[in-house]
Amino acid sequence: DAGITQSPRYKITETGRQVTLMCHQTWSHSYMFWYRQDLGHGLRLIYYSAAADITDKGEVPDGYVVSRSKTENFPLTLESATRSQTSVYFCASSEQQGGNTIYFGEGSWLTVV
Amino acid sequence: GQNIDQPTEMTATEGAIVQINCTYQTSGFNGLFWYQQHAGEAPTFLSYNVLDGLEEKGRFSSFLSRSKGYSYLLLKELQMKDSASYLCAVRGGNTPLVFGKGTRLSVIA
Repeated sequence: DAGITQSPRYKITETGRQVTLMCHQTWSHSYMFWYRQDLGHGLRLIYYSAAADITDKGEVPDGYVVSRSKTENFPLTLESATRSQTSVYFCASSEQQGGNTIYFGEGSWLTVV
Repeated sequence: GQNIDQPTEMTATEGAIVQINCTYQTSGFNGLFWYQQHAGEAPTFLSYNVLDGLEEKGRFSSFLSRSKGYSYLLLKELQMKDSASYLCAVRGGNTPLVFGKGTRLSVIA
């Protein structure tokens, strides 16, 4: 049972380049989320999706694009990477909202130089 | 919006009991979660409270008071492996989980 997997796990890129972080879950969870985690800020929601083809902005969406053409995949794209987007990115999923626990992927460490 | 506060750091001794507090303000309430996160790893689920009172799960317990906007995580018989960050998260209404900044717990011998 693979659960939720992210790729790449580690990435160094240059300012201005486009970067896509992949997220894949095998549980058929309806909801998927992208969070970034930075020292002093904790986990902040970037985008989330309630189902295929439905996405919504979170707290810090600027500079990011998401898509959800299939239930199991939820890629996050940085269209033109900036140094302020250096962070650890966590993908997560849950069956529904409400009391359902969300489960996190292992994280993608992104450095923008 | 939502606001979640928890202490930044705590230190406790192996074998002791530690209580990590979390206060929150939210419009609507649909549950409070605690997650554990070891350095360099993903957060993992510890507990969920939606009604007032204490939920016990082995060495870990979580308490909720909705009227006070207050929760705590109680860790008993502390072990070195409990050194980690503990994240309080609240779901308000039908919105995604919002996380506090986390409390970094150091367990010392």
